[in-house]
Amino acid sequence: QSVLTQPPSVSEGPRQRVTISCSGSSSNIGNNAVNWYQQLPGKAPKLLIYYDDLLPSGVSDRFSGSKSGTSASLAISGLQSEDEADYYCAAWDDSLNGWVFGGGTKLTVL
Amino acid sequence: QVQLQESGPGLVKPSETLSLTCTVSAGSISTYYWTWIRQPAGKGLEWIGRIYTSGITNYNPSLKSRLTMSIDTSKNQFSLNLSSVTAADTAVYYCARERQLGDESWFDPWGQGTLVTVSS
Repeated sequence: QSVLTQPPSVSEGPRQRVTISCSGSSSNIGNNAVNWYQQLPGKAPKLLIYYDDLLPSGVSDRFSGSKSGTSASLAISGLQSEDEADYYCAAWDDSLNGWVFGGGTKLTVL
Repeated sequence: QVQLQESGPGLVKPSETLSLTCTVSAGSISTYYWTWIRQPAGKGLEWIGRIYTSGITNYNPSLKSRLTMSIDTSKNQFSLNLSSVTAADTAVYYCARERQLGDESWFDPWGQGTLVTVSS
């Protein structure tokens, strides 16, 4: 059972928009920044969003992040088949004094 | 562009110690936190722990009693030792750099990962 809660899977058609939620608590998301990672099949995770809503250089602006209170969201617009991947949220947890991850969300582009 | 590469045995016997090294290339190991993360097959990511250049560590409470991390700045390497392993420790192990902005940080880049299987 992960400290951060994500839906196991989401699906949407090409060119559509999808959001992935990440729910936590005051000791993690409520007090620290959220980062998102994309893991393509068979590959290592890659930074997708950092500090709640910042895009690393080279990441498409079809990806966006937001946070409110103890929850965060990742939005992907203009879905493409290459976006099919597992997506993980992560945040520092002040109570555990360590990083915690969501269980991951598998995105399927129909 | 900084690159990370994990190395170590791919097979470890139960009750023995799992030892991995991460080599940092094209960049300095200084003034960063360096992290280990693992992923059992078909499952999610689990943070194992981190070490700063000075040797300061933070460990996952669930692994703390079996975990030791070290860093060798002269070799641009940091290492992980996990003792008394069981089949539950079978996973792909990733190393990553923790980048910071103010009080916040994130993992970038990651190594490609190395599969460690615990079996007799």
